[in-house]
Amino acid sequence: NAGVTQTPKFQVLKTGQSMTLQCAQDMNHNSMYWYRQDPGMGLRLIYYSASEGTTDKGEVPNGYNVSRLNKREFSLRLESAAPSQTSVYFCASTVSGAGAYNEQFFGPGTRLTVL
Amino acid sequence: QQQVKQSPQSLIVQKGGIPIINCAYENTAFDYFPWYQQFPGKGPALLIAIRPDVSEKKEGRFTISFNKSAKQFSLHIMDSQPGDSATYFCAASMMGFQKLVFGTGTRLLVSP
Repeated sequence: NAGVTQTPKFQVLKTGQSMTLQCAQDMNHNSMYWYRQDPGMGLRLIYYSASEGTTDKGEVPNGYNVSRLNKREFSLRLESAAPSQTSVYFCASTVSGAGAYNEQFFGPGTRLTVL
Repeated sequence: QQQVKQSPQSLIVQKGGIPIINCAYENTAFDYFPWYQQFPGKGPALLIAIRPDVSEKKEGRFTISFNKSAKQFSLHIMDSQPGDSATYFCAASMMGFQKLVFGTGTRLLVSP
């Protein structure tokens, strides 16, 4: 049981390049999330997927796209990377539904630098 | 109304001290208040959580105190150890809500 896995662990991009961050969970969770973490700003929600087939914007969605490939996988794409997107990116997942509290399980993160 | 305000931003205590981290929320519909612990280079992990039907919850050396009327909750770490040095996030949510509303985090350093 690996929990939430993310690839890659580290990435350096040049301005304008594109890349996709991958996330997978093996806990049969319904909901998945992408956050970015910057010093002094905590965890900011980029996009989330409440269930397979749905995605919604979070607090800071500009410059990103997501795909909920199936129940296990949720990817984050940067189409044209900018230095402002230098950050640590975390994926998380949770069981969700009318009778559930939002206990999120986080992956180990991807450290992205955009030059 | 969805904000959770966390303080202090950073905290240094000596080994054995009792660091206290405070959070305040606005939305009275919130009824789930977790704390997450994050070590350097790792993802956050759930540490302890409380619901408003109790005023205090203990798990080992970690205690959450909850004040519903003041809309505040706090994390106390008893007999703190250098291994407790980490960033701590409070959060708030409610049953069936799709998101966690996070505080901005507190970086704790416990000196030997």
